[in-house]
Amino acid sequence: DGGITQSPKYLFRKEGQNVTLSCEQNLNHDAMYWYRQDPGQGLRLIYYSQIVNDFQKGDIAEGYSVSREKKESFPLTVTSAQKNPTAFYLCATRGTSGSKPYEQYFGPGTRLTVT
Amino acid sequence: LAKTTQPISMDSYEGQEVNITCSHNNIATNDYITWYQQFPSQGPRFIIQGYKTKVKNEVASLFIPADRKSSTLSLPRVSLSDTAVYYCLARNRDDKIIFGKGTRLHILP
Repeated sequence: DGGITQSPKYLFRKEGQNVTLSCEQNLNHDAMYWYRQDPGQGLRLIYYSQIVNDFQKGDIAEGYSVSREKKESFPLTVTSAQKNPTAFYLCATRGTSGSKPYEQYFGPGTRLTVT
Repeated sequence: LAKTTQPISMDSYEGQEVNITCSHNNIATNDYITWYQQFPSQGPRFIIQGYKTKVKNEVASLFIPADRKSSTLSLPRVSLSDTAVYYCLARNRDDKIIFGKGTRLHILP
């Protein structure tokens, strides 16, 4: 929402297949983030990127990969190595200018189901 | 990164004022307190942010005492649509942004 697009909203895959989740933003924000949310739980950080061509692992990066070739795009690949990939995936962005911790903006999310 | 503690859940009634308190005993000098709201199957949405004393906007108020070891989010005259999960974060500009489990607020008619 608010300039962040995640597609598709629902995604179904068979076990053993890699799948890439899309995140595009037109907010001109430098920082982008991927979170995973399981039912009844808070958000857990997978990967984040402060600038193009650079990214860092979050708390649960195993089984995931990302790229940041363009400022507007931060795709997340869920690989077959991720043992429990079924979850709600949220992409977020944040401006990085100034001294305050500026608010994050979140996309609408992609609900991935792997069977 | 300051750790925050907040109640797992709260119930209230329509028209009441709701106060959700968050503890952050190890808050650092350059940490700000930020609150987000999340509805089911949606991403969190920024509500309010403050450093000390009181901050108010059209949605909520945030009270932070002088020692900054806690903060209170105040939602005036809640409605059913305020039923959501509310997250409290204490972080500075350069922190990784970590969300806890939040407070599940249930508004009853």
